[in-house]
Amino acid sequence: AQSVTQLGSHVSVSEGALVLLRCNYSSSVPPYLFWYVQYPNQGLQLLLKYTSAATLVKGINGFEAEFKKSETSFHLTKPSAHMSDAAEYFCAVSLTGANSKLTFGKGITLSVRP
Amino acid sequence: GAVVSQHPSRVICKSGTSVKIECRSLDFQATTMFWYRQFPKQSLMLMATSNEGSKATYEQGVEKDKFLINHASLTLSTLTVTSAHPEDSSFYICSAVTRDSYNEQFFGPGTRLTVL
Repeated sequence: AQSVTQLGSHVSVSEGALVLLRCNYSSSVPPYLFWYVQYPNQGLQLLLKYTSAATLVKGINGFEAEFKKSETSFHLTKPSAHMSDAAEYFCAVSLTGANSKLTFGKGITLSVRP
Repeated sequence: GAVVSQHPSRVICKSGTSVKIECRSLDFQATTMFWYRQFPKQSLMLMATSNEGSKATYEQGVEKDKFLINHASLTLSTLTVTSAHPEDSSFYICSAVTRDSYNEQFFGPGTRLTVL
């Protein structure tokens, strides 16, 4: 079985500040890990994915995440927040890739202050 | 890129009626489609996995007779909420994968169901 923990429900940063959204996973096998973004009343858009290649994964919109097996973490970062980054962010895990069941964390709301 | 559409985007219905939600892959063939449910300010919960030409696999606790899923073709899956009640009000999202997209699920924009 697999699970994802996203601590906290809301993160607020100033425009231009570092964004750090935390994700810890539990998996019985080497996992596939994903970060998705959701804007209000919309579906999910893939930001980036870890598939056992490079541990530092770069995604769209300047986001990146680092897979740390020793810490069972896959935190999402962006060096400089933009107002358009305000959204809901979900971390997800799969055992065999995205063509199988995804287990999502509860999500984190990112607010960006002017 | 791969596009998934859902119809309708919003639906309001009376308690006791049935509602059908369509999920279509517009530019690819979807061997598998997933149906998720999302309550306000909460995460997505997988309801069922739908493979073309076969019966859907439902997650534990999801009523098969309540949420009927049909995956009749490689581009269309439907979710029918039968005898809807206010507690069925939610945001329903589908996603699709192809044989080659083992690293990505493509999500639809979601359907907001409100049962009065």
